[in-house]
Amino acid sequence: DSGVTQTPKHLITATGQRVTLRCSPRSGDLSVYWYQQSLDQGLQFLIQYYNGEERAKGNILERFSAQQFPDLHSELNLSSLELGDSALYFCASSERVSGRAVYFGPGTRLTVT
Amino acid sequence: TQLLEQSPQFLSIQEGENLTVYCNSSSVFSSLQWYRQEPGEGPVLLVTVVTGGEVKKLKRLTFQFGDARKDSSLHITAAQPGDTGLYLCAGAGRGNNRLAFGKGNQVVVIP
Repeated sequence: DSGVTQTPKHLITATGQRVTLRCSPRSGDLSVYWYQQSLDQGLQFLIQYYNGEERAKGNILERFSAQQFPDLHSELNLSSLELGDSALYFCASSERVSGRAVYFGPGTRLTVT
Repeated sequence: TQLLEQSPQFLSIQEGENLTVYCNSSSVFSSLQWYRQEPGEGPVLLVTVVTGGEVKKLKRLTFQFGDARKDSSLHITAAQPGDTGLYLCAGAGRGNNRLAFGKGNQVVVIP
């Protein structure tokens, strides 16, 4: 158990819908990262927050957004969902902003039908 | 974009054998991490290497960071079925907060 929690574990929704994925980092970690994993692309970095502020942005679509709240939990919002958005979404956390030791949550499996 | 190439993509060996997998890049990394991932679960951090030439051991696993900090290897001695999984390497550039992941080495250890 990495100490990073994610909900829900599984999510099935239809195209065009909007979903919210939730993440609680390990106790004491200020950085939260979001990654998308698909079979053909591997793990792709989406976005990082550190202590409530956005610190780095990767290949995140405009339809996706995230935020980190004062209690350090984070949410990833996915809207206007397409079939190609089906993937595993992982949240990870680290103590510092540099991310030398990054701990991953169990993931949310999103299926868009 | 920092690309990490992992080879071989797939490796199947008998219990008790040794194996080595590789992670290569043309980019220099300030640190490199190895993870193991099982189906449907999140990657689990195994080790972080930061110094060129560094060697770290974790029981039967030996990790080496290349002198130029562009590549790394993972050697497993006397592999066991519990070593089966997808091994992912991830590199962080200097001043770069994001980890770039390779596509992984899928290792299967047959009892």
